[in-house]
Amino acid sequence: GQQVMQIPQYQHVQEGEDFTTYCNSSTTLSNIQWYKQRPGGHPVFLIQLVKSGEVKKQKRLTFQFGEAKKNSSLHITATQTTDVGTYFCAGPKGSNYKLTFGKGTLLTVNP
Amino acid sequence: NAGVTQTPKFQVLKTGQSMTLQCAQDMNHEYMSWYRQDPGMGLRLIHYSVGAGITDQGEVPNGYNVSRSTTEDFPLRLLSAAPSQTSVYFCASSYDTEAFFGQGTRLTVV
Repeated sequence: GQQVMQIPQYQHVQEGEDFTTYCNSSTTLSNIQWYKQRPGGHPVFLIQLVKSGEVKKQKRLTFQFGEAKKNSSLHITATQTTDVGTYFCAGPKGSNYKLTFGKGTLLTVNP
Repeated sequence: NAGVTQTPKFQVLKTGQSMTLQCAQDMNHEYMSWYRQDPGMGLRLIHYSVGAGITDQGEVPNGYNVSRSTTEDFPLRLLSAAPSQTSVYFCASSYDTEAFFGQGTRLTVV
């Protein structure tokens, strides 16, 4: 079945350093979504990428969707303590409402 | 709008007990899902529904039942709780793209 793998599992950075998490799917995806979960909170939608090679930016966050639509990345420039949390990628299995989530990357930021 | 509301927030059960986790959404979304989250395992789909009266199994459905009698409500039933069902449970609803998650229910089975 469809698998979505995410690395690294953990990442600890000093405030101001950059951070990247990578997501790889075993199958071609129609789109990929990214979510952020703060410690003790619930996942919150960040963005959806649909097109091959698509790049989207949200302030310090840059999201990329690979040309083959099987991989994606989230890059945070100059991390802040507010970036702490677990970042998940998710790919639809058939339809957008059936999401297969990666295991997430837990980001901690040392002030 | 309240969004997606889950109750209770915390629950402790004894092995063999049954209970229902409640989920309600006020966004008129057709699609609703239940996920469980375990350390290092990400979010795994338990059951989902594409509309009132329609439900189907996800990745880890064993030990859980669902029903969808209205668009708004999607309860998750644990028939006979087991320690392996200790987890954080999230309900989500969506229209097309973005999934809106509830605050979660932290369940411990002893």
